[in-house]
Amino acid sequence: DAGITQSPRHKVTETGTPVTLRCHQTENHRYMYWYRQDPGHGLRLIHYSYGVKDTDKGEVSDGYSVSRSKTEDFLLTLESATSSQTSVYFCAISESRLGGNEQFFGPGTRLTVL
Amino acid sequence: AQKVTQAQTEISVVEKEDVTLDCVYETRDTTYYLFWYKQPPSGELVFLIRRNSFDEQNEISGRYSWNFQKSTSSFNFTITASQVVDSAVYFCALSELGGSEKLVFGKGTKLTVNP
Repeated sequence: DAGITQSPRHKVTETGTPVTLRCHQTENHRYMYWYRQDPGHGLRLIHYSYGVKDTDKGEVSDGYSVSRSKTEDFLLTLESATSSQTSVYFCAISESRLGGNEQFFGPGTRLTVL
Repeated sequence: AQKVTQAQTEISVVEKEDVTLDCVYETRDTTYYLFWYKQPPSGELVFLIRRNSFDEQNEISGRYSWNFQKSTSSFNFTITASQVVDSAVYFCALSELGGSEKLVFGKGTKLTVNP
């Protein structure tokens, strides 16, 4: 199994509070991704990173920001959480973003915004 | 634009039956990659297979097989002699080589295999 951990694994927070989710990898892969999974929507890309300090937006980036100061860590921040951001968040890593390489996923973080 | 359609939302079968999960995709690129992932009830996402657009050979791995047909833009997944452990949500996904930086997923098919 790819060495990917996510923390926390579960979090309950209140509307308007900031939340940071962490993804940590031990595979030294260059590319990292954040997805959210919602019933009826499958997985949708929030942001991705193609190197340290290099990030870009995905399909559903509004309300989220990311940072990557080290190869192994990719942080997802909800500046002011809303109930619509209640979801399961998955981090993924890949050796390449060019479409040819599979992405390996972390165990997920279940976030509930009350 | 990329799009993946898994028309079957839920499928229920009895153990030992064969079952096929459908995946239809849309892309303007000539070079692209198709994937299947499995999400068991425990929640993790498990990579099953990757296929590139230039390789239309079908693939078999144990009880799993995949049928890729560019003519119909389909990449279907068949489980032969299904088992209870195959119960999961299965996702088909598409990635383009040029221009797009994302893995686009279908909405998934929930497979329940009853004993």
